[in-house]
Amino acid sequence: DIQMTQSPSSMSASVGDRVTITCRASQGIGNWLAWYQQKPGRAPQLLIYAASSLQSGVPSRFSGSGSGTDFTLTISSLQTEDFATYYCQESNSFTFGGGTEVEVK
Amino acid sequence: EVQLVESGGGLVKPGGSLRLSCAASGFIFNDAWMNWVRQAPGKGLEWVGRIKSKTDGGTTDYAAPVKGRFTVSRDDSRNTLSLQMNSLKSEDTAVYYCTTSYYDIWSGHYAGFDSWGQGTLVTVSS
Repeated sequence: DIQMTQSPSSMSASVGDRVTITCRASQGIGNWLAWYQQKPGRAPQLLIYAASSLQSGVPSRFSGSGSGTDFTLTISSLQTEDFATYYCQESNSFTFGGGTEVEVK
Repeated sequence: EVQLVESGGGLVKPGGSLRLSCAASGFIFNDAWMNWVRQAPGKGLEWVGRIKSKTDGGTTDYAAPVKGRFTVSRDDSRNTLSLQMNSLKSEDTAVYYCTTSYYDIWSGHYAGFDSWGQGTLVTVSS
């Protein structure tokens, strides 16, 4: 079974910061990776699919990169509404990473 | 506008059964691949199961922890997705979300879950 490992599990950041979250797959998955944002008490929202494609309606400060086993989600300039938990997901087996909570510094 | 509304959650004893429903609107339900995803209190996301469209065979797949106990089904005449949960365990306690699979036209593959319901809470406890 494919395992998805995210790092860090939590982080503190300030508005305007560049934020990078990493997701590593236990075996190569091509570009079959999605990223989600979840705010407390809300359902997750799809941000990125196919590792680097921005879902419609998602701000362009979000970007994804990587292929094979190593992937990153980058927020170029963190906004107030971006404080949330982020999950990666392998798109074939649907395995999620453990999540990264982005908190206010 | 896509809407997914889950219902049927509640408190059930270990070993009991529960049936969740998801009412869908705002898209062509017949053509959609649908999923259930759950989230235990304070924990991360876990995929539960998927059902393909009838056009694509209508087949189902399940996560290992629920295989043989949970059944995903669909009623295209009523735009409804269901999750029948049997032999429930305390570790099945979670918010259960209904989601649609996103079809990436460029790659010709399903590439994530693009619409989500608000979730329904299932609590398994004596």
